[in-house]
Amino acid sequence: QVQLQESGPGVVKPSETLSLTCTVSGGSISNYYWSWIRQAPGKGLEWVAYIYSTGNTNYNPSLQSRVTISVDTSKNQFSLKMSSVAAADTAVYYCARMFRPGAAGFFDYWGQGALVTVSS
Amino acid sequence: EVVLTQSPGTLSLSPGERATLSCRASQSVTSNYLAWYQQKPGQAPRLFIYAASSRATGIPDRFSGSGSGTDFTLTISRLEPEDFAVYYCQQYGSSPLTFGGGTKVGI
Repeated sequence: QVQLQESGPGVVKPSETLSLTCTVSGGSISNYYWSWIRQAPGKGLEWVAYIYSTGNTNYNPSLQSRVTISVDTSKNQFSLKMSSVAAADTAVYYCARMFRPGAAGFFDYWGQGALVTVSS
Repeated sequence: EVVLTQSPGTLSLSPGERATLSCRASQSVTSNYLAWYQQKPGQAPRLFIYAASSRATGIPDRFSGSGSGTDFTLTISRLEPEDFAVYYCQQYGSSPLTFGGGTKVGI
């Protein structure tokens, strides 16, 4: 059974960079797509970015200028960096495995989520 | 991008009743690539339906998905206590993938 676990600081100061890592266990990160999705408190889901195990990436156009997703197959991990954060970036950040049959995909395995609060 | 509108925002029902949730797309969803997720408070979303009508592993058959083009429906034939949650639709037929705003199924 594939399991995902997010890790990273729970609080980030405004204008600084948010960094999160997702560790995949119970299966290889290779040959799959991996994604970050976020959910502001009391709000719906917003896709952030996804990456293939070889490093090909795709970003939400609304966040693309501030976001970088990367993968480390040797550690079975992938990561998210978001620069110049503001209060609106406060959210639970989920990592997930994506099955991509077409232009995009759906998410079959999810991490438990990591709350990141942007606050000074 | 494809905008998904879910209705109603809240559905107040009782155990044993039938629930019908709607997801309408601003343009046709390519190949009917639409998924449904269930989310309970404090938990991650869980995949229930993909490709509009295929149930994910372990999902009971009281859940069914239907629809095509721009109109999709998630039906719960008889609500069980554990079914009260928020449900989101998501399209993956075009990029960027997008989610609907959710429907809360409550008592």
